[in-house]
Amino acid sequence: GAVVSQHPSRVICKSGTSVKIECRSLDFQATTMFWYRQFPKQSLMLMATSNEGSKATYEQGVEKDKFLINHASLTLSTLTVTSAHPEDSSFYICSARRGLAGFNEQFFGPGTRLTVL
Amino acid sequence: TQLLEQSPQFLSIQEGENLTVYCNSSSVFSSLQWYRQEPGEGPVLLVTVVTGGEVKKLKRLTFQFGDARKDSSLHITAAQPGDTGLYLCAGGSNYKLTFGKGTLLTVNP
Repeated sequence: GAVVSQHPSRVICKSGTSVKIECRSLDFQATTMFWYRQFPKQSLMLMATSNEGSKATYEQGVEKDKFLINHASLTLSTLTVTSAHPEDSSFYICSARRGLAGFNEQFFGPGTRLTVL
Repeated sequence: TQLLEQSPQFLSIQEGENLTVYCNSSSVFSSLQWYRQEPGEGPVLLVTVVTGGEVKKLKRLTFQFGDARKDSSLHITAAQPGDTGLYLCAGGSNYKLTFGKGTLLTVNP
């Protein structure tokens, strides 16, 4: 159990276009999902916390107008990178929190490699 | 701001050797997770520890949570090339995880 899928796995786009990444919890309901960004050989950097039915909470320094997050259901959150530029190229990973009291287990998707030309 | 210091950052060893990765903080965490990540993939949860002093074993991997729930260690016995990857510790507090910087382990045949 606790499988998280992410789509697409890779995307290449031209500068100025928008890209949507989907994150789904396949076998459990996730009231909270998280979006991370990861640079090569580095740890994960939390971008935002996504709660079902409410606005996302962004970490300091993350532009909310550039990285739009929607958490429309208990199993789906989307991240849209708007007007993407080469500096947005990165590995984006989502995770879903399985809501067990007192636990903070997060289960991660396989990631999306975004390349902006 | 809670911080997790993970060490060593890089580790290259020969097959069959033992190793220990450390994760330390000045903050108390309600739980601590260890993840392993391979290139181009998402992190995979290895273990969650929640009780101070807790020890969990997963085949050749032994995880320990400090008595004060501020630190943790991962010990691998007789490392194999398949153990190669980025190991991440993450402390849980409220609903967020605080990640260490990771340990990039390479096990050479």
